[in-house]
Amino acid sequence: QSALTQPRSVSGSPGQSVTISCTGTSSDVGGYNYVSWYQQHPGKAPKLMIYDVTKRPSGVPDRFSGSKSGSTASLTISGLQAEDEADYYCCSYAGSYSVVFGGGTKLTVL
Amino acid sequence: EVQLVESGGGLVKPGGSLRLSCAASGFIFSTYSMNWVRQAPGKGLEWVSFISSSSGYISYADSVKGRFTISRDNAKNSLYLQMNSLRAEDTAVYYCARLISSGSSDYWGQGTLVTVSS
Repeated sequence: QSALTQPRSVSGSPGQSVTISCTGTSSDVGGYNYVSWYQQHPGKAPKLMIYDVTKRPSGVPDRFSGSKSGSTASLTISGLQAEDEADYYCCSYAGSYSVVFGGGTKLTVL
Repeated sequence: EVQLVESGGGLVKPGGSLRLSCAASGFIFSTYSMNWVRQAPGKGLEWVSFISSSSGYISYADSVKGRFTISRDNAKNSLYLQMNSLRAEDTAVYYCARLISSGSSDYWGQGTLVTVSS
């Protein structure tokens, strides 16, 4: 149950696009199409942004998109806005009804 | 409106016990699997435990196995986490979360803080 690997921080200017990577193994990210992404603002509960690799819950802007190649998943945020500044966590199903989270990425909007 | 409200957190001494509760409303609780997820101060999210809709399947993170017990009462729309033999490293905000697919949680509670300290 080792944590998935995410960059500690990423940044971008308003209007730009940023991509956050999430690297796991064949036992989690690479083995299942069950990767999700969460946005967390300080002092708040996590919010689901992407699930099942590419699906967006109702209400999440289409500026947020997900993808996966092998054991690496990615979250892309296009048209960056100030309110996107937050911590982002990836999460993958890891078998036997367990999940594993990434260490989190702090997104700064310059 | 879907709501998850955790309670039961507080300050406990190392070796002590605590029981967390999560009251669910706004959806048919008995049809959803649930997770407990925790977040130590200033740290990332850590999955703690899973329970299926009818309690037929249960799993735990290695870090809490043998010390924590997850349960639910579908008649009371409630989820529980019994935490025994608590350690300083169990200090965290504990969230309950509703599962919509394998591993994805669409609704989270506001969290309850557990502090383990002498």
